[in-house]
Amino acid sequence: DAKTTQPNSMESNEEEPVHLPCNHSTISGTDYIHWYRQLPSQGPEYVIHGLTSNVNNRMASLAIAEDRKSSTLILHRATLRDAAVYYCILRDVQNAGNMLTFGGGTRLMVKP
Amino acid sequence: DAGITQSPRHKVTETGTPVTLRCHQTENHRYMYWYRQDPGHGLRLIHYSYGVKDTDKGEVSDGYSVSRSKTEDFLLTLESATSSQTSVYFCAISESRGLSSGANVLTFGAGSRLTVL
Repeated sequence: DAKTTQPNSMESNEEEPVHLPCNHSTISGTDYIHWYRQLPSQGPEYVIHGLTSNVNNRMASLAIAEDRKSSTLILHRATLRDAAVYYCILRDVQNAGNMLTFGGGTRLMVKP
Repeated sequence: DAGITQSPRHKVTETGTPVTLRCHQTENHRYMYWYRQDPGHGLRLIHYSYGVKDTDKGEVSDGYSVSRSKTEDFLLTLESATSSQTSVYFCAISESRGLSSGANVLTFGAGSRLTVL
């Protein structure tokens, strides 16, 4: 799977929007962009995914650059509960095992 | 959401003893995974299964074996535990969220914390 690059950590204030960036300059045409997060002492949980178009769900929005070499996870109003490690992962449709390869992620800290 | 149960949630054992961790799912998902998570290494895939009796190795499979005799259960065994296997172990299943396998998402269990003394 192609690699992603994320900042190690970010800070946000509660109730403000948060934009978490991810670079994936070697993305292939069949790679889906997935975001997961891991709250303290819990397993990772799925947040959102997309291929080419921007996506919205109840948790977040995913903005994908036109050339697909970068994406941004948007939390519209950060809460203290959103403090977690956020992982940006590329998922190749050719990936026979359907597994995910995790990088270091971005640790988001939310200040009250 | 898939029901995934890991057991035991916490275990302390001694070097050289065998340990088996169990992952149980309630929805007949085909793919199941075992990951370990350590500070400084993030999540790493140990083994995965793509059906009953069908398993394959992941990135860090040395010292581990797995078995899947029923769709709902995926067992991870440490034949002779070592201190380097002290870790948090996560089980996961793959669920379809679209027509393409690229859209499949993983749902993780709560984790099993293993300490090998």
